[in-house]
Amino acid sequence: EPEVTQTPSHQVTQMGQEVILRCVPISNHLYFYWYRQILGQKVEFLVSFYNNEISEKSEIFDDQFSVERPDGSNFTLKIRSTKLEDSAMYFCASSEFRAQGFNEQFFGPGTRLTVL
Amino acid sequence: AQSVTQLDSHVSVSEGTPVLLRCNYSSSYSPSLFWYVQHPNKGLQLLLKYTSAATLVKGINGFEAEFKKSETSFHLTKPSAHMSDAAEYFCVVSEDSGAGSYQLTFGKGTKLSVIP
Repeated sequence: EPEVTQTPSHQVTQMGQEVILRCVPISNHLYFYWYRQILGQKVEFLVSFYNNEISEKSEIFDDQFSVERPDGSNFTLKIRSTKLEDSAMYFCASSEFRAQGFNEQFFGPGTRLTVL
Repeated sequence: AQSVTQLDSHVSVSEGTPVLLRCNYSSSYSPSLFWYVQHPNKGLQLLLKYTSAATLVKGINGFEAEFKKSETSFHLTKPSAHMSDAAEYFCVVSEDSGAGSYQLTFGKGTKLSVIP
């Protein structure tokens, strides 16, 4: 069964460093998402991406964050200069296109980012 | 604005006994509601969804949920717990952010433990 994959499973970085989190969505899906979950808190929406541009972003997704689909298979989240408060589990999700009705989002296993 | 409250952070049941995970929601519009499950080191998996059809929704693995508009609730139930049900469960509400792109709002999660 096709699934969303994410690498690495755990990333440790120093404050101020750039990190890139990678996701491979399901191959025929056209919508891509990033969510994050700070330890002990809710899963929060960050950004959605369709047709090579951001569809929507939350207030969390500031100028430190960017997303890209560099090669038609990977979908990446870049944090330009990490802060301690960026430590969280980051989930990638993808869904297929459907004009109306809910498109189920398929989630990856997550990348745990630890900023020291 | 939409929000979700999961009333219990941890529920513990004996194997073979009923499961009840409680969820209340707030939404400005007719909501779409979901339950996702996350097993350790796995991605978030959709258990079931309510999208304005039948109010009693059946999902995978014997789970079901009932949408009660008057109580703004969407509780998850299962008649008989199995050891493999031990996981974290998320109640989720969505609103349409645009054609095909759905921003999910998560509850904080309920960890279900099943005692042999």
